[in-house]
Amino acid sequence: YELTQPPSVSVSPGQTASITCSGDKLGDKYASWYQQRPGQSPALVIYEDAKRPSGIPERFSGSNSGNTVTLTISGTQAMDEADYYCQAWDTSTAIFGGGTKLTVL
Amino acid sequence: QVQLVQSGAEVKKPGASVKVSCKTSGYTFSGYYMHWVRQAPGQGLEWMGWINPNSGGTHYAQKFQGWVTMTRDTSITTVYMELSRLRSDDTAVYYCARDAVFRREAGVNWFDPWGQGTLVTVSS
Repeated sequence: YELTQPPSVSVSPGQTASITCSGDKLGDKYASWYQQRPGQSPALVIYEDAKRPSGIPERFSGSNSGNTVTLTISGTQAMDEADYYCQAWDTSTAIFGGGTKLTVL
Repeated sequence: QVQLVQSGAEVKKPGASVKVSCKTSGYTFSGYYMHWVRQAPGQGLEWMGWINPNSGGTHYAQKFQGWVTMTRDTSITTVYMELSRLRSDDTAVYYCARDAVFRREAGVNWFDPWGQGTLVTVSS
């Protein structure tokens, strides 16, 4: 099972960034999103497709439709520049997408 | 607060084994599964498996079966990941990551929080 993400996404400060993650029948599963800033450990930003953990800014949101889940960052800030990974479970195995490098230009 | 503190960087020769520890604090150790995830330099995340700290039961990704061993010591609330027969492409940062839901079976949940990572370098 594979999850496919675009390798890179660019966005201007203050604009909206969307990062997609596609997989077979992904809509039937729950997905999570992790942010990894350079030199840091991954950190959860979205779980169960669209829920935000406490402490995660409201500008982070998620959605799941069909075979694609999407992480949306509204009003993107420079501090959001990082790698983002989607993750889902398939037959008791955790699968991560290949990661998307978000650049805030 | 919940903390996962991992052991320090290791340098190993090909064919050797490495054992990485993850010391936990700030929560009920037996109530949350623990996962191990690795990341090769410049690459993405790869899930290795989980351990149930309550029972000691484990489940490994197919790729790592027969090759990785996850254990725990409940007296010091620490989990371990041992990888044997190391090769150069095992060079990676290894993370422990706690399952996020209390006493719910692994395989449906998300990972929160993560340890700081342990760099394992395999080189002759």
